[in-house]
Parts: sequence; structure tokens; C-alpha cells
Amino acid sequence: DAGVIQSPRHEVTEMGQEVTLRCKPISGHDYLFWYRQTMMRGLELLIYFNNNVPIDDSGMPEDRFSAKMPNASFSTLKIQPSEPRDSAVYFCASSPYGTGNYGYTFGSGTRLTVV
Amino acid sequence: AQTVTQSQPEMSVQEAETVTLSCTYDTSENNYYLFWYKQPPSRQMILVIRQEAYKQQNATENRFSVNFQKAAKSFSLKISDSQLGDTAMYFCAFSPPQGAQKLVFGQGTRLTINP
Repeated sequence: DAGVIQSPRHEVTEMGQEVTLRCKPISGHDYLFWYRQTMMRGLELLIYFNNNVPIDDSGMPEDRFSAKMPNASFSTLKIQPSEPRDSAVYFCASSPYGTGNYGYTFGSGTRLTVV
Repeated sequence: AQTVTQSQPEMSVQEAETVTLSCTYDTSENNYYLFWYKQPPSRQMILVIRQEAYKQQNATENRFSVNFQKAAKSFSLKISDSQLGDTAMYFCAFSPPQGAQKLVFGQGTRLTINP
């Protein structure tokens, strides 16, 4: 199993540009989570999906952020327009039954820098 | 709301020593799950150990063990015979038992193992 795959690993963009982060969860995992990690706020859950359906997006900071999961093997997190304060590491994680039994399996993260 | 507190921002020990990382949490739930994650410089989040609150026996995984004190809401991680590869950020995390609730993370402890 290749694990959770995220791309790109690093992204540098200019303020105002659209940014799309990608994630491929582990096959058979029904839950997919997007987290953001910053020094100031630590690890924050942005949104999670169950069977491709968004369940809780209360952590999405504002309307500039959107996430989709068109099928069981692919999800995107889009920021439009991007701002310097969006600079962070964005993690995707998946889980077969939710957190209780297994915890999450994380991807390697995307380091986003908005200049 | 559940909160997780790691009171030690940084720790440093010599190789082969034993080190204990502290974690406390606040919840009104009776059943829940607790986790320790390791984040080495590679940025990958790696599940180290998990504990189910209804099990009184402390979890162990090779050199890693926990001291779970439910009444005190304490969940410390002990690393025995520490190795250079244990150098990483360590995050304590809490999960309620039902469904894919979000993992709530502490702020992390940066552990350095010195040769």
C-alpha cells in the first residue's frame, strides 16, 4: 500500500493566485480529513468527508477555502484567492472507520508559501 | 469542548536515556481514545501508540509505553532506551468514541536525542 499521497510537496505562489492541493487516500478508507498546521495554531481540522460526502466543514477558515471529493480515490483543497496568512503545511489523512479504532494515516503534507 | 495540553514545549535527553512526555486533556466523555503521534523532520505524521479509555492496562509498543491515569486525565508517553531517530515533535491527540470525530491535538513537544 502506498499510503496517503499528497501533491505537490511544496507550493510557492503569489498572493491572489488560486492554489489547489491534491490527495489520494488509502484504498478502502471511508474517511478523509484535511488538516492545517501552523506554528501559532498547531494542527487544525479544516474539513472531513465520509464516503465522498462532506460531513463537517466548520473548520474551513473562510469562503476562500473549498474542498471536494469527486470519488473515493481523490480529493482537492482549493484556496482562491490565496493570502500570505494561508502559508502553512496542509495534511490530508484517511481512516477506515473514523478515529476511534485506528487513528488516522497521514500523508506527507504540502508546504504552502504565499508571497 | 475537548482540549489537549502538552506542557513541555521542548525536551532534550542523551541517547539511551528514558524520557517521559506529558499530556493532559479535558473531556466529559467516559469512553474515548488517546494517541501519540511522532513528526520527524521529514514532516510525516506517524502514529506511535494508542490507548482506549475503557482499558485500564497501559498500552505498549516496543520501547514506547504510556501511563494512562483516567481520573487525573493524564496520558504520558515514556520512551525507553532513546535513540537518535526518536528526535521529533510528539503530539498527543484525543478522539471521542463515536464515528469520525475530529482528532484534537495538543501543541506538541519537541524532543531532541543527543549523541
